[in-house]
Amino acid sequence: GAVVSQHPSWVICKSGTSVKIECRSLDFQATTMFWYRQFPKQSLMLMATSNEGSKATYEQGVEKDKFLINHASLTLSTLTVTSAHPEDSSFYICSARDLEGAIDEQFFGPGTRLTVL
Amino acid sequence: GENVEQHPSTLSVQEGDSAVIKCTYSDSASNYFPWYKQELGKRPQLIIDIRSNVGEKKDQRIAVTLNKTAKHFSLHITETQPEDSAVYFCAGPGLTGNQFYFGTGTSLTVIP
Repeated sequence: GAVVSQHPSWVICKSGTSVKIECRSLDFQATTMFWYRQFPKQSLMLMATSNEGSKATYEQGVEKDKFLINHASLTLSTLTVTSAHPEDSSFYICSARDLEGAIDEQFFGPGTRLTVL
Repeated sequence: GENVEQHPSTLSVQEGDSAVIKCTYSDSASNYFPWYKQELGKRPQLIIDIRSNVGEKKDQRIAVTLNKTAKHFSLHITETQPEDSAVYFCAGPGLTGNQFYFGTGTSLTVIP
């Protein structure tokens, strides 16, 4: 299947700093990527849909100025958590669709565990 | 977002018994229904999916059934093994068809 990578796999930062997470599709082009957040023992919550060359679409309740998404190429989307606070500590997972393959299947990155002190 | 309900939230079965997890959805236009298995600290892994043109799909010990009239689909695991212990999620597409919204998850424990 298609491969999606994320970097970093984990990060610890101080409160008030910004953290950038990268999501890459390694062997296919992804015009659409998705960002999820997962708190312990909870489900994956869709944060936003990242569209190559255009603005991201955010889910209700997700602050677009706090979670900046950039999808500058067909293989890379980035999520920047600005002015991070302890409540932003979570597991962030991206996914991508291979539009030339199965139309519906999404491929997930390995996730990034963010801890804000 | 799309309303996807999943039951039960926890499930314990004896090794060798069957496990069934059910999800209901609200968007009648949905036509793709995946099930994911997630182990602690790892990404979700697609284990089986079904499209709306069939009512059942089976892959060895795992099967998924779809009832479009009732708007629910179920995951069936037979002859459960300890390594089946994990959290299982269903997912449903959003109104635009691009996004996925996950169910609340079912923590399955298979007791040896």
